[in-house]
Amino acid sequence: EAQVTQNPRYLITVTGKKLTVTCSQNMNHEYMSWYRQDPGLGLRQIYYSMNVEVTDKGDVPEGYKVSRKEKRNFPLILESPSPNQTSLYFCASSRGSGDLSYNEQFFGPGTRLTVL
Amino acid sequence: GQQVMQIPQYQHVQEGEDFTTYCNSSTTLSNIQWYKQRPGGHPVFLIQLVKSGEVKKQKRLTFQFGEAKKNSSLHITATQTTDVGTYFCAVPSGNTPLVFGKGTRLSVIA
Repeated sequence: EAQVTQNPRYLITVTGKKLTVTCSQNMNHEYMSWYRQDPGLGLRQIYYSMNVEVTDKGDVPEGYKVSRKEKRNFPLILESPSPNQTSLYFCASSRGSGDLSYNEQFFGPGTRLTVL
Repeated sequence: GQQVMQIPQYQHVQEGEDFTTYCNSSTTLSNIQWYKQRPGGHPVFLIQLVKSGEVKKQKRLTFQFGEAKKNSSLHITATQTTDVGTYFCAVPSGNTPLVFGKGTRLSVIA
């Protein structure tokens, strides 16, 4: 089954304790992306990757890191989480051919993160 | 980068009533996508509109792209409880490949 998986689905942590949220897709998609969703603010892009070893900042990259060592994986790293990073996080992927805005985004199930 | 205004932010309707959400851009769009997110779920792609004045239908859902390609609408006829969720539009952006509107949350009262 074609899908995007994220782990963990829920996480409660404390300020300053480094964490990684994993994202993996089995559709051989070139493009992968991370969003955070907050009430009233919609989906805001954190980072995206056009292909292996190519990453770019989205609209809200501060406090986050990403890496793209393999095509299928795109982990989101919070080196020193803070309470304002409490949010619902979604990973997404799509084909990378042509104008990316024409390609359907496939979303993972989401990771609900609480930073105390 | 590109910003898109989506209205209304919330809509409560009685089951059987119609519902419409709008996306408005200040610039001409090459295309627009629509997604639906059920409560507790993740966004799921519904449709993409590309042509000026394009109208597409999916059962009770009608999607329209404006003649000037600056706005779009999603209309649901005779809402059902299964329509509950948040509807997002997504458009191309100069900074990132795609930017999402803030969404319209639809509640349906049975």
